[in-house]
Amino acid sequence: AQKVTQAQTEISVVEKEDVTLDCVYETRDTTYYLFWYKQPPSGELVFLIRRNSFDEQNEISGRYSWNFQKSTSSFNFTITASQVVDSAVYFCALSEAHGSGYSTLTFGKGTMLLVSP
Amino acid sequence: DGGITQSPKYLFRKEGQNVTLSCEQNLNHDAMYWYRQDPGQGLRLIYYSQIVNDFQKGDIAEGYSVSREKKESFPLTVTSAQKNPTAFYLCASTPPEASALVNTEAFFGQGTRLTVV
Repeated sequence: AQKVTQAQTEISVVEKEDVTLDCVYETRDTTYYLFWYKQPPSGELVFLIRRNSFDEQNEISGRYSWNFQKSTSSFNFTITASQVVDSAVYFCALSEAHGSGYSTLTFGKGTMLLVSP
Repeated sequence: DGGITQSPKYLFRKEGQNVTLSCEQNLNHDAMYWYRQDPGQGLRLIYYSQIVNDFQKGDIAEGYSVSREKKESFPLTVTSAQKNPTAFYLCASTPPEASALVNTEAFFGQGTRLTVV
């Protein structure tokens, strides 16, 4: 069975600090996708990034960056110069292929990020 | 505006009652999903449907039922057999060009918070 582990339950930082959210995954699939979602207090999940298992290049989008390391089965997420608006729960997820040819997402338990002014 | 609409936002249920959560999308997506979120537990898959009149059980389907009579709609019924239904329920969908989440991200509704009173 596939598994996603987000060991950090809650992280508190002061605005402008950098923060890294860890994600470790387990899968037997050779082809898979990893995702990060943000869940603000409103509850809706907001898509941040999708990365396939063959692309280990790091990605940067504004203040966000992602470090995918297949050798350690990790897909960590860094927010540079954090802002109060970054306060949310962040979920890492892994695609799971089913025998029917379809896939679903396996989520980690989430990391709550609190950014104080 | 296209999107996923879940209703109601808050729902209260008496013990022993069945309740139905609504999920409607106007994105022309083929696949739809129901997830349950408990504090500190991440999201767990209840049911998913790839096409009309077909659906599959997820990891925690016991005590729940679904139907997919229309492409746009995927209602979830929480039956009296569900022993601990108090949770936050999220509906999601994926575009028609990908039958699997591996090719795209899932779009989520804003959720329904169900409380047993």
